[in-house]
Amino acid sequence: GAGVSQTPSNKVTEKGKYVELRCDPISGHTALYWYRQSLGQGPEFLIYFQGTGAADDSGLPNDRFFAVRPEGSVSTLKIQRTERGDSAVYLCASSLRGPGANVLTFGAGSRLTVL
Amino acid sequence: GQSLEQPSEVTAVEGAIVQINCTYQTSGFYGLSWYQQHDGGAPTFLSYNALDGLEETGRFSSFLSRSDSYGYLLLQELQMKDSASYFCALLGAAGNKLTFGGGTRVLVKP
Repeated sequence: GAGVSQTPSNKVTEKGKYVELRCDPISGHTALYWYRQSLGQGPEFLIYFQGTGAADDSGLPNDRFFAVRPEGSVSTLKIQRTERGDSAVYLCASSLRGPGANVLTFGAGSRLTVL
Repeated sequence: GQSLEQPSEVTAVEGAIVQINCTYQTSGFYGLSWYQQHDGGAPTFLSYNALDGLEETGRFSSFLSRSDSYGYLLLQELQMKDSASYFCALLGAAGNKLTFGGGTRVLVKP
C-alpha cells in the first residue's frame, strides 16, 4: 500500500479483556516495528520484526503482550488481560532495510483506551 | 541503555529561527534522527546524521557532534504549519531500534 495502515484507529475496551491491533506495512518493507506512545511522551519501542521473525522483543513490557507477523507482511499486536495502564497510542512503522534502517514510516496509530 | 534529553517546549514567531537541542547517553549508536509529529498524527522522518556535522534539508538542518554527545535540529523561516512536536532519536548500534527522546513541542505564533 501507499502507507502504513493500522486498524482499528480507536479501540475502547474494559479491563481484563483481550485486544488485537493490526498493522499493514508498506509493500516490500521487510522491517516492521511496534511502538507505544503515551500523551506528551516520545514513542517507546516494543518489538521489531525482520521478515517473519521477531528480531528484538526487548521492549515488550510483560508476557501479556505478544506480536506476530506470520507471512512477513501484516503484523498483529495482541494484548491479554488489558490493564488501565495499557491505555496509549500504539504505533506501527516499517522500513525498507532492517539493520541500518534510518527512515521509519509510521502509521497513524491505534488509540487504545482501557476502562 | 540509551537516553535522550530535549527541552519540553519552545515558542517562536513566524519567520524566526528555532534550535532544538538534544543531548544523549549511549554506549554506541549508528546515528541520530529527527521526527516531526503533529497532534493526532504519525511521526514523520525529517533528518538523519550518521556522521558529525550539518545536514541541510530545505528549511530544516540537523547537526551531530559525537564527541559532545549532542545534536540539534534547526528550523528556519518558521511557518505556522511547523507547530508540532519534534523528537530526536538514536538508531542503536545493532541498527534495528530507534530510541526516542521525550519530544519538544514547538508553538509558532503569528
